[in-house]
Amino acid sequence: DTAVSQTPKYLVTQMGNDKSIKCEQNLGHDTMYWYKQDSKKFLKIMFSYNNKELIINETVPNRFSPKSPDKAHLNLHINSLELGDSAVYFCASSQGFREAYNEQFFGPGTRLTVL
Amino acid sequence: GQNIDQPTEMTATEGAIVQINCTYQTSGFNGLFWYQQHAGEAPTFLSYNVLDGLEEKGRFSSFLSRSKGYSYLLLKELQMKDSASYLCAVRDSNYQLIWGAGTKLIIKP
Repeated sequence: DTAVSQTPKYLVTQMGNDKSIKCEQNLGHDTMYWYKQDSKKFLKIMFSYNNKELIINETVPNRFSPKSPDKAHLNLHINSLELGDSAVYFCASSQGFREAYNEQFFGPGTRLTVL
Repeated sequence: GQNIDQPTEMTATEGAIVQINCTYQTSGFNGLFWYQQHAGEAPTFLSYNVLDGLEEKGRFSSFLSRSKGYSYLLLKELQMKDSASYLCAVRDSNYQLIWGAGTKLIIKP
Protein backbone atom coordinates (compact mmCIF):
# COMPACT_ATOMS: atom_id res chain seq x y z
CA ASP A 1 0.00 0.00 0.00
CA THR A 2 1.40 3.39 -1.00
CA ALA A 3 1.69 5.71 2.00
CA VAL A 4 1.61 9.03 0.13
CA SER A 5 0.39 8.99 -3.44
CA GLN A 6 0.23 11.75 -6.04
CA THR A 7 -1.39 11.92 -9.43
CA PRO A 8 -0.37 12.47 -12.09
CA LYS A 9 3.30 11.50 -12.04
CA TYR A 10 4.01 13.48 -15.20
CA LEU A 11 2.16 16.54 -16.47
CA VAL A 12 3.01 18.29 -19.73
CA THR A 13 0.89 21.28 -20.62
CA GLN A 14 0.82 24.57 -22.47
CA MET A 15 1.35 27.99 -20.94
CA GLY A 16 -1.86 29.57 -19.76
CA ASN A 17 -3.61 26.30 -18.95
CA ASP A 18 -5.07 25.38 -15.55
CA LYS A 19 -4.09 22.07 -13.95
CA SER A 20 -4.51 20.17 -10.70
CA ILE A 21 -2.32 17.71 -8.82
CA LYS A 22 -3.90 15.38 -6.30
CA CYS A 23 -2.35 13.98 -3.15
CA GLU A 24 -3.59 11.38 -0.71
CA GLN A 25 -2.02 9.83 2.38
CA ASN A 26 -3.19 6.68 4.15
CA LEU A 27 -0.95 7.06 7.20
CA GLY A 28 -3.53 8.76 9.39
CA HIS A 29 -1.34 11.85 9.59
CA ASP A 30 -2.70 15.24 10.59
CA THR A 31 -0.32 17.44 8.57
CA MET A 32 0.26 17.62 4.83
CA TYR A 33 2.60 19.74 2.72
CA TRP A 34 3.27 20.85 -0.83
CA TYR A 35 6.86 21.41 -1.93
CA LYS A 36 8.36 22.64 -5.17
CA GLN A 37 11.78 21.32 -6.23
CA ASP A 38 13.34 23.24 -9.07
CA SER A 39 16.19 22.31 -11.41
CA LYS A 40 18.73 23.31 -8.76
CA LYS A 41 17.17 20.74 -6.42
CA PHE A 42 16.11 23.22 -3.75
CA LEU A 43 13.06 21.96 -1.87
CA LYS A 44 10.84 24.94 -1.18
CA ILE A 45 7.78 24.70 1.04
CA MET A 46 4.66 26.14 -0.56
CA PHE A 47 1.80 25.23 1.75
CA SER A 48 1.06 23.19 4.81
CA TYR A 49 -2.25 22.08 6.26
CA ASN A 50 -2.86 20.69 9.73
CA ASN A 51 -6.21 18.99 10.19
CA LYS A 52 -7.52 20.74 7.07
CA GLU A 53 -6.41 24.14 8.35
CA LEU A 54 -3.84 26.17 6.43
CA ILE A 55 -0.80 26.75 8.68
CA ILE A 56 1.97 27.63 6.23
CA ASN A 57 1.36 29.79 3.19
CA GLU A 58 4.68 30.83 1.77
CA THR A 59 5.11 33.58 -0.76
CA VAL A 60 3.85 31.84 -3.85
CA PRO A 61 1.82 33.40 -6.66
CA ASN A 62 -1.89 33.34 -5.96
CA ARG A 63 -2.27 31.27 -9.12
CA PHE A 64 -1.47 28.38 -6.80
CA SER A 65 -4.35 27.33 -4.60
CA PRO A 66 -4.34 24.35 -2.24
CA LYS A 67 -7.49 22.56 -1.21
CA SER A 68 -7.87 20.07 1.61
CA PRO A 69 -11.28 18.36 1.50
CA ASP A 70 -10.27 16.15 4.45
CA LYS A 71 -7.08 15.51 6.36
CA ALA A 72 -6.07 12.62 4.09
CA HIS A 73 -6.12 14.76 0.93
CA LEU A 74 -4.34 17.91 -0.15
CA ASN A 75 -4.75 18.96 -3.75
CA LEU A 76 -2.93 21.71 -5.60
CA HIS A 77 -4.59 23.72 -8.33
CA ILE A 78 -2.53 25.96 -10.59
CA ASN A 79 -4.11 28.63 -12.80
CA SER A 80 -2.59 30.28 -15.86
CA LEU A 81 0.53 28.12 -15.92
CA GLU A 82 3.84 29.83 -16.72
CA LEU A 83 7.17 28.50 -17.96
CA GLY A 84 8.72 29.11 -14.54
CA ASP A 85 6.25 26.72 -12.95
CA SER A 86 8.09 23.80 -14.52
CA ALA A 87 9.47 21.76 -11.61
CA VAL A 88 8.85 18.65 -9.57
CA TYR A 89 6.08 19.09 -7.02
CA PHE A 90 6.17 16.86 -3.94
CA CYS A 91 3.39 16.22 -1.51
CA ALA A 92 4.37 15.09 1.99
CA SER A 93 2.71 14.27 5.27
CA SER A 94 3.72 14.01 8.92
CA GLN A 95 2.07 12.89 12.14
CA GLY A 96 1.56 16.43 13.32
CA PHE A 97 3.19 19.81 13.11
CA ARG A 98 4.89 20.42 16.45
CA GLU A 99 5.80 16.88 17.46
CA ALA A 100 9.49 16.47 18.29
CA TYR A 101 10.25 13.55 16.00
CA ASN A 102 8.37 14.75 12.99
CA GLU A 103 9.50 12.71 10.03
CA GLN A 104 7.90 13.74 6.77
CA PHE A 105 6.83 11.09 4.28
CA PHE A 106 6.99 12.16 0.66
CA GLY A 107 4.92 11.19 -2.33
CA PRO A 108 6.68 10.15 -5.56
CA GLY A 109 6.47 13.65 -7.03
CA THR A 110 4.75 15.18 -10.05
CA ARG A 111 7.04 16.39 -12.81
CA LEU A 112 5.34 19.41 -14.35
CA THR A 113 6.58 20.69 -17.70
CA VAL A 114 5.08 23.87 -19.10
CA LEU A 115 5.67 24.43 -22.82
CA GLY B 1 17.62 35.48 6.69
CA GLN B 2 17.66 31.74 7.20
CA ASN B 3 20.40 29.74 5.62
CA ILE B 4 21.51 26.13 5.33
CA ASP B 5 24.89 25.41 3.76
CA GLN B 6 26.17 22.09 2.52
CA PRO B 7 28.74 21.15 -0.14
CA THR B 8 27.29 20.81 -3.59
CA GLU B 9 29.01 17.58 -4.49
CA MET B 10 31.33 14.99 -2.94
CA THR B 11 33.02 11.90 -4.31
CA ALA B 12 34.03 8.83 -2.33
CA THR B 13 35.13 5.26 -2.92
CA GLU B 14 33.08 2.14 -2.32
CA GLY B 15 33.84 0.71 1.11
CA ALA B 16 35.21 4.00 2.47
CA ILE B 17 33.77 6.53 4.93
CA VAL B 18 32.44 9.97 4.01
CA GLN B 19 31.31 12.92 6.13
CA ILE B 20 28.81 15.43 4.75
CA ASN B 21 28.75 18.72 6.65
CA CYS B 22 25.85 21.09 7.16
CA THR B 23 25.94 24.52 8.78
CA TYR B 24 22.83 26.49 9.53
CA GLN B 25 21.60 29.91 10.59
CA THR B 26 17.92 29.88 11.42
CA SER B 27 15.49 31.80 13.55
CA GLY B 28 15.19 29.30 16.35
CA PHE B 29 15.89 25.60 16.35
CA ASN B 30 13.53 22.67 16.81
CA GLY B 31 15.53 19.82 15.37
CA LEU B 32 17.70 18.92 12.40
CA PHE B 33 16.87 16.27 9.83
CA TRP B 34 18.83 14.42 7.17
CA TYR B 35 17.07 13.01 4.13
CA GLN B 36 18.35 10.91 1.24
CA GLN B 37 17.12 11.53 -2.29
CA HIS B 38 18.01 9.25 -5.18
CA ALA B 39 17.83 10.81 -8.65
CA GLY B 40 14.27 11.06 -9.85
CA GLU B 41 12.83 9.88 -6.55
CA ALA B 42 11.31 11.38 -3.43
CA PRO B 43 13.35 12.27 -0.33
CA THR B 44 13.35 9.63 2.40
CA PHE B 45 14.09 10.23 6.07
CA LEU B 46 17.49 9.20 7.43
CA SER B 47 18.01 10.80 10.84
CA TYR B 48 16.89 13.37 13.39
CA ASN B 49 18.94 15.29 15.96
CA VAL B 50 17.59 17.73 18.51
CA LEU B 51 20.21 17.41 21.28
CA ASP B 52 23.96 17.75 20.89
CA GLY B 53 25.85 14.60 20.13
CA LEU B 54 25.92 11.63 17.86
CA GLU B 55 22.96 9.50 16.75
CA GLU B 56 23.90 6.18 15.21
CA LYS B 57 21.73 4.11 12.92
CA GLY B 58 23.51 1.23 11.25
CA ARG B 59 26.02 2.49 8.70
CA PHE B 60 24.74 6.06 9.07
CA SER B 61 25.41 8.45 11.96
CA SER B 62 24.46 12.08 12.42
CA PHE B 63 26.08 14.61 14.73
CA LEU B 64 24.78 17.91 16.02
CA SER B 65 26.37 20.90 17.75
CA ARG B 66 23.70 23.52 18.41
CA SER B 67 26.19 26.10 19.74
CA LYS B 68 28.12 25.93 16.47
CA GLY B 69 25.08 25.62 14.18
CA TYR B 70 26.67 22.53 12.72
CA SER B 71 25.79 18.98 11.84
CA TYR B 72 27.34 16.19 9.85
CA LEU B 73 26.14 12.95 8.35
CA LEU B 74 28.66 10.12 8.46
CA LEU B 75 28.28 7.21 6.07
CA LYS B 76 30.43 4.13 6.65
CA GLU B 77 31.21 1.13 4.46
CA LEU B 78 29.95 2.97 1.42
CA GLN B 79 27.97 1.02 -1.14
CA MET B 80 27.17 1.97 -4.72
CA LYS B 81 23.51 2.35 -3.76
CA ASP B 82 24.51 5.22 -1.43
CA SER B 83 25.00 7.40 -4.51
CA ALA B 84 22.32 10.01 -3.96
CA SER B 85 21.73 13.54 -2.77
CA TYR B 86 21.72 14.13 0.98
CA LEU B 87 19.53 16.95 2.22
CA CYS B 88 19.99 18.74 5.52
CA ALA B 89 16.88 20.45 6.93
CA VAL B 90 16.38 22.48 10.11
CA ARG B 91 13.05 23.14 11.82
CA ASP B 92 12.87 26.76 12.90
CA SER B 93 11.01 28.50 15.72
CA ASN B 94 7.78 28.30 13.70
CA TYR B 95 8.27 24.53 13.27
CA GLN B 96 8.82 25.08 9.59
CA LEU B 97 11.49 22.99 7.83
CA ILE B 98 14.21 25.02 6.11
CA TRP B 99 16.03 22.89 3.53
CA GLY B 100 19.57 22.96 2.24
CA ALA B 101 20.20 22.49 -1.48
CA GLY B 102 21.57 19.01 -0.88
CA THR B 103 24.94 17.33 -1.37
CA LYS B 104 25.25 15.04 -4.35
CA LEU B 105 27.36 12.05 -3.30
CA ILE B 106 29.08 10.09 -6.05
CA ILE B 107 30.44 6.66 -5.14
CA LYS B 108 33.20 5.21 -7.31
CA PRO B 109 34.15 1.52 -7.39
